[in-house]
Amino acid sequence: DAGVTQSPTHLIKTRGQHVTLRCSPISGHKSVSWYQQVLGQGPQFIFQYYEKEERGRGNFPDRFSARQFPNYSSELNVNALLLGDSALYLCASSYARDRGAEQYFGPGTRLTVT
Amino acid sequence: LAKTTQPISMDSYEGQEVNITCSHNNIATNDYITWYQQFPSQGPRFIIQGYKTKVTNEVASLFIPADRKSSTLSLPRVSLSDTAVYYCLVGDLGSGNTGKLIFGQGTTLQVKP
Repeated sequence: DAGVTQSPTHLIKTRGQHVTLRCSPISGHKSVSWYQQVLGQGPQFIFQYYEKEERGRGNFPDRFSARQFPNYSSELNVNALLLGDSALYLCASSYARDRGAEQYFGPGTRLTVT
Repeated sequence: LAKTTQPISMDSYEGQEVNITCSHNNIATNDYITWYQQFPSQGPRFIIQGYKTKVTNEVASLFIPADRKSSTLSLPRVSLSDTAVYYCLVGDLGSGNTGKLIFGQGTTLQVKP
């Protein structure tokens, strides 16, 4: 089975633009989480979606939004990009939202904002 | 929020056992402890997860004392390919609480020949 896939792998945008990142979870997984990883730091939790509903939100501004589709794939949208949004954006999927659920991460999308 | 603290870096030699300790003094009752490994420009990879006492799988062991305020990841007989950043994660995916999932700053393990 394929693991978590993300697209695109790399992206370059300019300040003020909008970006959409995509994630396909492992087949059968219903929960998708998004993380931002700035160079040299650990991943920071942005969102968790389960069964197409937002179940958790990290400390990120409203410029960040996401959604989950009926096939459990997900999009992360970031508006009005800032230089500080440059990071590796990681998507993780898990089968359930129960506590302790193991997460499987994708390879990430490297976003560079100039 | 259960913040975690880990050593920033550790060095070891091939064939040695490596123990990485994570402190999480404010761990909540429903929180699990999970360790991930990350290589440069890749997503983190799940290593092991536990709630209390000891958990062992084919790659590592996780020791959790009774008070659960710390945990120790044990890697037996490390090799050069174990050189990576190791993250301690404490959280409850099911809580829905804002920012409940927190990665530590990570421990960079350098394995030398």
